[in-house]
Formats: sequence, structure tokens, C-alpha cells
Amino acid sequence: NAGVIQTPRHKVTGKGQEATLWCEPISGHSAVFWYRQTIVQGLEFLTYFRNQAPIDDSGMPKERFSAQMPNQSHSTLKIQSTQPQDSAVYLCASSLDVGGSAETLYFGSGTRLTVL
Amino acid sequence: GEQVEQLPSILRVQEGSSASINCTYENSASNYFPWYKQEPGENPKLIIDIRSNMERKQTQGLIVLLDKKAKRFSLHITDTQPGDSAMYFCAASWNNNRIFFGDGTQLVVKP
Repeated sequence: NAGVIQTPRHKVTGKGQEATLWCEPISGHSAVFWYRQTIVQGLEFLTYFRNQAPIDDSGMPKERFSAQMPNQSHSTLKIQSTQPQDSAVYLCASSLDVGGSAETLYFGSGTRLTVL
Repeated sequence: GEQVEQLPSILRVQEGSSASINCTYENSASNYFPWYKQEPGENPKLIIDIRSNMERKQTQGLIVLLDKKAKRFSLHITDTQPGDSAMYFCAASWNNNRIFFGDGTQLVVKP
């Protein structure tokens, strides 16, 4: 089991450019989460999917951030018109989501986004 | 306001002593309280968790306590070792699977 796979590991963009981050959850896991980690904000919830359906995106900055899960094997987080304050490590996690009760989150290694 | 508050932000202890991290939560409906450890350059990993039907859980030098009345839970690391040095995050879950994290505690174990 390769765990949660995130690509790329590092991404550098210029201000105003678009960034797309990819996540492949653990096979068989039905819940996928996106978090953003910075020193100042800590682990900040962005959004999550269950069985590919968006459940809660209340943590997403509405105007420039979007997330999709087109199939059970991958999810994407897209940031349009990136700004320096978007610089962070973006973590994807998946869980089994058995019977609707909270389960262990398995995190990927993250994508470090740097916006110049 | 913060959904989960975690203190202290930095904790320095001597090797062999114990370390305690405390968290409080807002929502009395919370029923799942995991603890994650994040080593430098690594992703967070679950080390222990407790559900609301328990008050205490212990495994491999880790003890978690849950006080539902006070909406407080804590992690205690006994006999700390340099390998315990890391960032520790408490978390609480309600509203199905959404998990809210505390701001983290940087534990430094001095040899």
C-alpha cells in the first residue's frame, strides 16, 4: 500500500498563475480531505468528499479555490490567480469512513506551494 | 473563535520526564478525539485516539484522558525520549467526519 499520493511535491508559481494539486487516496478509502498547513494558521481544513461527493467546503476561500473528485482514485485542488498568501503545504488525507463515524486520517506527504 | 484550543504551543522537557498537552473543544457533540504526531518534513500520523464512550486510553507510553463535562482532553507522554520530539496536534470531530485540529504543540525533549 503506497499510502496517499500527492503530486507534485513542490510547486512554484508566479503571482496570478494557476496551480493544480493532485491527490490519490488509499484504495478503498471513501473519504478524502484537503488541509492547508502554515506556521501561522496551523492545519486548516479546506474541504472534503465522501464517495466522491462534496460534503463540506466551508474552509475553502470561495473565489479562487475549487476542488473536484471525478473518480474514486483521485482528487484535485485548483487555485486560480495564486497569491503569495496561498503559499503553504497542502495536505490531502483519506479515511475509510466506516458507517459515518470518524476514522483515522492518512495524510499524504503534501504539496509545498510557493507563490512568488 | 477556535473550535479546538491547544496548549502549550511549545513544551520543553528533560529526557525521561513526562510531557502533557491539553486541549479544549467547543462542541459538546464531539465524539472522536485523535492525536497526531508530525516529525520535521513528514506528514502527520495518528498516534492515539479516544472516543466519547471512554475517559482514558493508554498505549505504548501514551495516555489520553477525556473529560466530557469540561470539554477537555489531554495527551500524556511518559518517560519521554529524544525521538518523541515533534509537533503534536490534538483534534476533535463532530458533524460526521470533519476533523478540526488544534494549533499544535512543539515538543522538545532535551537529552
